[in-house]
Amino acid sequence: KNEVEQSPQNLTAQEGEFITINCSYSVGISALHWLQQHPGGGIVSLFMLSSGKKKHGRLIATINIQEKHSSLHITASHPRDSAVYICAVSYGGATNKLIFGTGTLLAVQP
Amino acid sequence: SAVISQKPSRDICQRGTSLTIQCQVDSQVTMMFWYRQQPGQSLTLIATANQGSEATYESGFVIDKFPISRPNLTFSTLTVSNMSPEDSSIYLCSVNRGIQQFFGPGTRLTVL
Repeated sequence: KNEVEQSPQNLTAQEGEFITINCSYSVGISALHWLQQHPGGGIVSLFMLSSGKKKHGRLIATINIQEKHSSLHITASHPRDSAVYICAVSYGGATNKLIFGTGTLLAVQP
Repeated sequence: SAVISQKPSRDICQRGTSLTIQCQVDSQVTMMFWYRQQPGQSLTLIATANQGSEATYESGFVIDKFPISRPNLTFSTLTVSNMSPEDSSIYLCSVNRGIQQFFGPGTRLTVL
């Protein structure tokens, strides 16, 4: 069974700071997902990666397949970035179900 | 993309009762996934619902407790049966398109 570990579990930052959230997994995957969950519970898919790096606005996601590690970066953080960020991996195959990390609770203070 | 709606968005229920959660997708999908997120925890897959066949349940989840229907390619229901306070969670419906995943807004269930 694949383990998906995230760090840190909790993160408090000041507005404008550069933020990094890390995710490690233990076996080969078909894709890694970064998800954002707001306090109301809704989940939004931020990125889906199988290699390299992706950028969307102030968010950057990288993955190192050899090291089985991914990072999510937020530049110029803002209070509206406050949310739980979840890393999840998929193996592909018939169901392509996701295995989730425990999440990182980010609070950006003004 | 896929737009997913869930009903109800939240509910407060009494111990011993059952609640059925509905999930509607704006386009046809082969598989629909039901997840549970207990307070302070990450998501755990309950079952995968395929149209025209029995749902596939993950370890620790059984059909008697979480019966699922999948009458067509855009709709599914999850019932939480004989509820106890331990069932208080957010229940989320999800679909995938290729390897991209989409989630419903969730149903926040509180069992008293």
